[in-house]
Amino acid sequence: KAGVTQTPRYLIKTRGQQVTLSCSPISGHRSVSWYQQTPGQGLQFLFEYFSETQRNKGNFPGRFSGRQFSNSRSEMNVSTLELGDSALYLCASRLAGGGNEQFFGPGTRLTVL
Amino acid sequence: SQELEQSPQSLIVQEGKNLTINCTSSKTLYGLYWYKQKYGEGLIFLMMLQKGGEEKSHEKITAKLDEKKQQSSLHITASQPSHAGIYLCGAAPPGGAQKLVFGQGTRLTINP
Repeated sequence: KAGVTQTPRYLIKTRGQQVTLSCSPISGHRSVSWYQQTPGQGLQFLFEYFSETQRNKGNFPGRFSGRQFSNSRSEMNVSTLELGDSALYLCASRLAGGGNEQFFGPGTRLTVL
Repeated sequence: SQELEQSPQSLIVQEGKNLTINCTSSKTLYGLYWYKQKYGEGLIFLMMLQKGGEEKSHEKITAKLDEKKQQSSLHITASQPSHAGIYLCGAAPPGGAQKLVFGQGTRLTINP
């Protein structure tokens, strides 16, 4: 099976712009979670989607949003970018049900200038 | 909220030596995940532990879960350059693993 894919891999934006990141989960996986990784805060949970519905949300401002499509692909959007949004954004997919491990994609490196 | 503390934060070992990384939780562990990350890349799943006392091994890597101590350890035997990277432990809240809380990571360097 193909792994989790994320596009684009690298992105450079300026403050105030918005950005959309994409994630395609492993075939058959219906849960997609998004994480932000920075040197200062480490790896932090953003939100999780399952069957096109947001089930869980981390402590991030409303500028961070997402959605999931019927084929389980997910997008994450960040509006009004700030310098502090520069980070590696990782998505992970898993089968539904408790105890199943999450498989991570390679990430999208976002740089905000 | 749950917090995970990893120790040490960084580790430099000679190739062929054994090493241990610890992960201690501030709350009860319902599921503990170990991942490896090459700098700036995605996380590679290593192992998942769910029951107290559980121990799993894959090649030269062994992970254990001590439920009473709210702690997990990752042990690498006869380290190799391919083991170099950042090791992250993640804890699952009750009800599932879709919202992992991660430790800060342990950076492992293997000297030839």
